[in-house]
Amino acid sequence: GENVEQHPSTLSVQEGDSAVIKCTYSDSASNYFPWYKQELGKRPQLIIDIRSNVGEKKDQRIAVTLNKTAKHFSLHITETQPEDSAVYFCAAKAGNTPLVFGKGTRLSVIA
Amino acid sequence: KAGVTQTPRYLIKTRGQQVTLSCSPISGHRSVSWYQQTPGQGLQFLFEYFSETQRNKGNFPGRFSGRQFSNSRSEMNVSTLELGDSALYLCASSGSTGVDTQYFGPGTRLTVL
Repeated sequence: GENVEQHPSTLSVQEGDSAVIKCTYSDSASNYFPWYKQELGKRPQLIIDIRSNVGEKKDQRIAVTLNKTAKHFSLHITETQPEDSAVYFCAAKAGNTPLVFGKGTRLSVIA
Repeated sequence: KAGVTQTPRYLIKTRGQQVTLSCSPISGHRSVSWYQQTPGQGLQFLFEYFSETQRNKGNFPGRFSGRQFSNSRSEMNVSTLELGDSALYLCASSGSTGVDTQYFGPGTRLTVL
C-alpha cells in the first residue's frame, strides 16, 4: 500500500522567512495530494491540494509543487507569520484507495 | 453548508467497556472516513464507508467496527477498550470521487482509564 514520508518533523523559522516541508510517496498510481493544517486543539483543515495533472499550484503565500517522476511533493510558505504556527500534514491518494498521511511537521514561526 | 459534526466531543471509559462514536457528514457527501490520531502515530486510517458499504479498511483489530446509514451518517464502535485506544478519533466526509476533498469533523477525544 501507499507510504508517505514527511520531513522535517519540526521546523522553526523567523517571521517573514520562508518554510518548506517535503513529502515522498511510494504508490506511483497516487493522483491526489492534499495538505492540511492543524492548530492546537482544532480539526485538520485543508490549505491546498494538487492533482497529478499539474506540477505546481499557488494560493497567495502558499504553494505546492509535485514531481511525479521522483514521487515527491512539497509545501512552500512565504512571508511566514506567527499565525502560520501549526502542525502541517501531507497526504497522498490513488483513486478510491484511502488517504494516507505523513506524520506531520510542527512549524513554529518566531516573531 | 453545515460542516462535519461529531458526537460526543469527549468520552472517558474504563478498560473492557465499549464505545460508539457518531459522525454526521456535510449534506450531500456520501463518503465518510474515520481516523485515529495519536501524538506518536499521526493520523491513521481506520475505515471508509460509501453509500452504506465499507469501501476501505485500515490495519486495526476487529474490535474496531463501523457502519453507515442511508442518510450517510456514520458510527464507529470500539469493543473491549484498551488503554492504547486513548486517542482523538476524527471523521472526514467527502463527495463520491477519489479526488474529492475530505473535510474533517472536530473529533471525539476518547480517554480509556
